[in-house]
Amino acid sequence: EAQVTQNPRYLITVTGKKLTVTCSQNMNHEYMSWYRQDPGLGLRQIYYSMNVEVTDKGDVPEGYKVSRKEKRNFPLILESPSPNQTSLYFCASSFGQGLSNEKLFFGSGTQLSVL
Amino acid sequence: QKEVEQDPGPLSVPEGAIVSLNCTYSNSAFQYFMWYRQYSRKGPELLMYTYSSGNKEDGRFTAQVDKSSKYISLFIRDSQPSDSATYLCAMSSSITNFGNEKLTFGTGTRLTIIP
Repeated sequence: EAQVTQNPRYLITVTGKKLTVTCSQNMNHEYMSWYRQDPGLGLRQIYYSMNVEVTDKGDVPEGYKVSRKEKRNFPLILESPSPNQTSLYFCASSFGQGLSNEKLFFGSGTQLSVL
Repeated sequence: QKEVEQDPGPLSVPEGAIVSLNCTYSNSAFQYFMWYRQYSRKGPELLMYTYSSGNKEDGRFTAQVDKSSKYISLFIRDSQPSDSATYLCAMSSSITNFGNEKLTFGTGTRLTIIP
C-alpha cells in the first residue's frame, strides 16, 4: 500500500530534550516536506526536500532540523524543544520532477507536546 | 492579513443538503487551487485540484474558482455523514516547487453532516 509513515503518533517530552520524528514513504517520491498544524494558523511548512541531500527552509524553520540521506526517509529533528513547538506535525511527499504541488500525500500526523 | 482566509466553522448541515465551503485569497499570482479533506486524527488527502478559473466536477463534489474575485468554493451535493471532516483549501502560484513556490493552506472548515 502506498503510504507515508510517521512515528511516533503521539509524543510528550520536556523542554530541551532532543527528539526525532521519523518519516518514510514507499512511493519513490523525490519531494518531501514537513508541516505543522496549529488552530487558527492552518498548515505551515517547516522544511522541504527536493531530493537526496537537497533541503530548504519553509515558512517556520526556526528550532527544527532535517536531513535527507536516503530518498525514502526525511526525519524531523528538534535539538532543544520548547513549549511553542507543541503542535500536530505532518510529513508529506509528492511525485518528482518538481511537481510537488500536484498532489501531496500526507502521513497520519505526530501530536507533540513539549512541557 | 493572511494570504488565504477560510471560515473555520464549525458548519453543521443535515444529511442530503448541499454544502458550500469557501476561501478568499489576496495573492493574484495563485493559479493552482486544491481542496484537501482531513478526517479526525488523519492527514489531509487531496480531494479536488483545479487550474485557473472555472468549474471542475467529480461525482458529488464541484470546485469553483473565480480569479477576478479571488474566491474559490467547494460544493458538496447530497451530503453524507461520511463527508464529516475538516476541509482545507490550498493554493500555489506554480505547479513546481522550485524556489519558494509552495502551497499556501487555509485554516480549514470543520464540517459535520447530521444523519
